[in-house]
Amino acid sequence: GAGVSQSPSNKVTEKGKDVELRCDPISGHTALYWYRQRLGQGLEFLIYFQGNSAPDKSGLPSDRFSAERTGESVSTLTIQRTQQEDSAVYLCASSLIVGTVNTEAFFGQGTRLTVV
Amino acid sequence: QQQVKQSPQSLIVQKGGISIINCAYENTAFDYFPWYQQFPGKGPALLIAIRPDVSEKKEGRFTISFNKSAKQFSLHIMDSQPGDSATYFCAASVSGSARQLTFGSGTQLTVLP
Repeated sequence: GAGVSQSPSNKVTEKGKDVELRCDPISGHTALYWYRQRLGQGLEFLIYFQGNSAPDKSGLPSDRFSAERTGESVSTLTIQRTQQEDSAVYLCASSLIVGTVNTEAFFGQGTRLTVV
Repeated sequence: QQQVKQSPQSLIVQKGGISIINCAYENTAFDYFPWYQQFPGKGPALLIAIRPDVSEKKEGRFTISFNKSAKQFSLHIMDSQPGDSATYFCAASVSGSARQLTFGSGTQLTVLP
């Protein structure tokens, strides 16, 4: 597609339920990132995928959070046993890697998650 | 040490005026400093970026000023327009790339017509 696509756009879930968020990166982009944006705050890094390398999970806030990516395609972010503090916009971004440098990161429109 | 501190939190400017947003960092390993613009309901979009080998970068009405010794960088928007009204985020990363960006808390800019 022309840009990074995320689904769903909005998700309301009950506390304790699991949710799965999807990201379709720009075709050919080997790098993929997940960020979380709480209301009125900056973006927090969650996880980074680069090709078939082991992902950088250093930003995941707890073991309730996990993400997968198959090759250089779709990624899913899963939050288990959701809590109210998980309410936020979850943003996905992708970029090319030129040599060893990640070029400009293009962001999707985000998934707004509300835990009630 | 990973924080990037951004100010002001909100800014109101008259059309045609200059908007200035400031950021400060602690981690001297940071070597890539982008600014992102975000409109409501949209993801952030890269506006302009600078690397520490230059002190200023200009693209159209947008200029980044970088002070390596003070560990500060700022975004200047000249001739601000109502269409510039958005939230602006500064960010920083190591390895000169977009990997694992550390973002500031954002500045909500309103340009009055």
